[in-house]
Amino acid sequence: DTEVTQTPKHLVMGMTNKKSLKCEQHMGHRAMYWYKQKAKKPPELMFVYSYEKLSINESVPSRFSPECPNSSLLNLHLHALQPEDSALYLCASSLLYLRWVEINEKLFFGSGTQLSVL
Amino acid sequence: DQQVKQNSPSLSVQEGRISILNCDYTNSMFDYFLWYKKYPAEGPTFLISISSIKDKNEDGRFTVFLNKSAKHLSLHIVPSQPGDSAVYFCAARPGGYNAGNNRKLIWGLGTSLAVNP
Repeated sequence: DTEVTQTPKHLVMGMTNKKSLKCEQHMGHRAMYWYKQKAKKPPELMFVYSYEKLSINESVPSRFSPECPNSSLLNLHLHALQPEDSALYLCASSLLYLRWVEINEKLFFGSGTQLSVL
Repeated sequence: DQQVKQNSPSLSVQEGRISILNCDYTNSMFDYFLWYKKYPAEGPTFLISISSIKDKNEDGRFTVFLNKSAKHLSLHIVPSQPGDSAVYFCAARPGGYNAGNNRKLIWGLGTSLAVNP
């Protein structure tokens, strides 16, 4: 199983809604990532979890709240989003992420959740 | 400041010919480079990578060349197939102990490749 599975594939929400994005992998990877991608732009890193602990938060607004319940699951809780938050949200995993160690971090991406905030 | 640059937003080639996608970078501390392919409404898929200690890596129809003195890398696809039509992203990783707190990948803006039958 070399897949990263994301649900839902599409999500439309109002600015007062609370919703969650889910991500799952069963490759034994110990690093999981949330990326945001707008049209015609590269993926933009939001969060990195390493061994189920938050390792990097790229100054993401608190209306985005990540959670890593176990080594296979990653959630992104959304609350009070703005229309400019509409984007493709991508989950990725890699074998490891260690800040100071040479690792060839090949990322496996899910298909993403296309989010529209009205 | 764009540290990884893909100066051609789009490229069109004929099926069976060679596709050459280019990537330039400014940070000499990058130690690892990756190419990802992305279809619309899907996540990027890893294609091929190269360490800064090498100048060439080959995997089937895909070859990546690295010219460190010119801070330039290129992805060659031979022969090109219609299924190769996608956006190709070049990404680079800052090197080890001098990278500070964050060794996140730095991405180029992508090149959209169209392979015509």
